[in-house]
Amino acid sequence: GDSVTQMEGPVTLSEEAFLTINCTYTATGYPSLFWYVQYPGEGLQLLLKATKADDKGSNKGFEATYRKETTSFHLEKGSVQVSDSAVYFCALSGMNTGNQFYFGTGTSLTVIP
Amino acid sequence: EAGVAQSPRYKIIEKRQSVAFWCNPISGHATLYWYQQILGQGPKLLIQFQNNGVVDDSQLPKDRFSAERLKGVDSTLKIQPAKLEDSAVYLCASTLSYEQYFGPGTRLTVT
Repeated sequence: GDSVTQMEGPVTLSEEAFLTINCTYTATGYPSLFWYVQYPGEGLQLLLKATKADDKGSNKGFEATYRKETTSFHLEKGSVQVSDSAVYFCALSGMNTGNQFYFGTGTSLTVIP
Repeated sequence: EAGVAQSPRYKIIEKRQSVAFWCNPISGHATLYWYQQILGQGPKLLIQFQNNGVVDDSQLPKDRFSAERLKGVDSTLKIQPAKLEDSAVYLCASTLSYEQYFGPGTRLTVT
């Protein structure tokens, strides 16, 4: 079945460091891919998305490129801030999944000053 | 645009008690989802509604969990009786197309 695998955390970085959180997926067909962010005590918020191969999603300095050949959607940011501390979830959805979402287990990021 | 509303935000109950959660999706969103998020894990789908019909409830523990979406708008999720392993955050989400919008969740603690 369809699934998402994320790199395990937690990840701790110093402010202004480069961030990469790996995400790979298994799916039939061509799903849409998403990164959601969850700040402490809050629900999930959509961070960025890509709906087809080679699309690049971007928001708030974060980027991820839909790589069909490697079935990956890695999240990157060139310079993290303390305010980026949160849990990040990779997810997929598509017509083959009945528009259901499949989430990864989440990667906790802590950015220290 | 108002977001997905959920209540209560927090609930503490003893095992074998009952509890109900409420969700009001974004206006016009036909599809509504309930997820269970156990600490340290990603959300797990419990049930998906399309308007007032159930699309998928294959992962809903039907011996103790029930959900309804009368009139195709707001929804309630009930647990009766609760077990210790039901302690989790229960998230409601709604969607118009393929992008899901989440509510803040209800944190349930079963003692």
